[in-house]
Amino acid sequence: EVQLVESGGGFVQPGGSLRLSCAASGFTFSGYWMAWVRQAPGKGPEWVANIKQDGSEKYYLDSVKGRFTISRDNAKHSLYLEMNSLRAEDTALYYCARDKVMGPTVFDYWGQGTLVTVSS
Amino acid sequence: DIQMTQSPSSLSASVGDRVTITCRASQSISNYLNWYQQKPGKAPKILIYAASSLQSGVPSRFSGSGSGTDFTLTINSLQPGDFATYYCQQTDRAPLTFGGGTRVEIK
Repeated sequence: EVQLVESGGGFVQPGGSLRLSCAASGFTFSGYWMAWVRQAPGKGPEWVANIKQDGSEKYYLDSVKGRFTISRDNAKHSLYLEMNSLRAEDTALYYCARDKVMGPTVFDYWGQGTLVTVSS
Repeated sequence: DIQMTQSPSSLSASVGDRVTITCRASQSISNYLNWYQQKPGKAPKILIYAASSLQSGVPSRFSGSGSGTDFTLTINSLQPGDFATYYCQQTDRAPLTFGGGTRVEIK
């Protein structure tokens, strides 16, 4: 059974940092692109970043470029999102999602999410 | 960025009804369009990918069509578990944008 379990969310002041983690199991983690998708309260989903199987390609939402870094450790079956210079508008539930093997994106499995709240 | 516009933003329907939701892209995206269903407190669930391909395990009453800029999600014979919010997502180019959602409520 595919499982994605996020952790690392919390309450942080503007300008602060957090590191989110996603532990994957039930599939060959190294064979898939992976992604972070966030959802602000009462809003629709928003893609944040995704990363290729070997980490050689990474893509980001413009508003997080230079502040967020996506990474992965295939040996630990884990995905990460390092978030710096956090802003109030980054407040959201952050989901880890399994992306494609190849071809167009399809987020076919999602975690339960970890909540990030940025407020003074 | 490619903007995705869904309509309607909400609708009321009864069990057994046929429901149609539309999604329009601000520029052509070929068939790079996915549909997700989200229930309160849950993560989105993929229903349709590549505009018309049914994800494994999804009931056949869900179907998708369209290409270019105009797409449709159809639910035939709405079931109680289908009351949820539906989102389209374009996957043609980054940023991978979602539509604003269509909330399907019980009439």
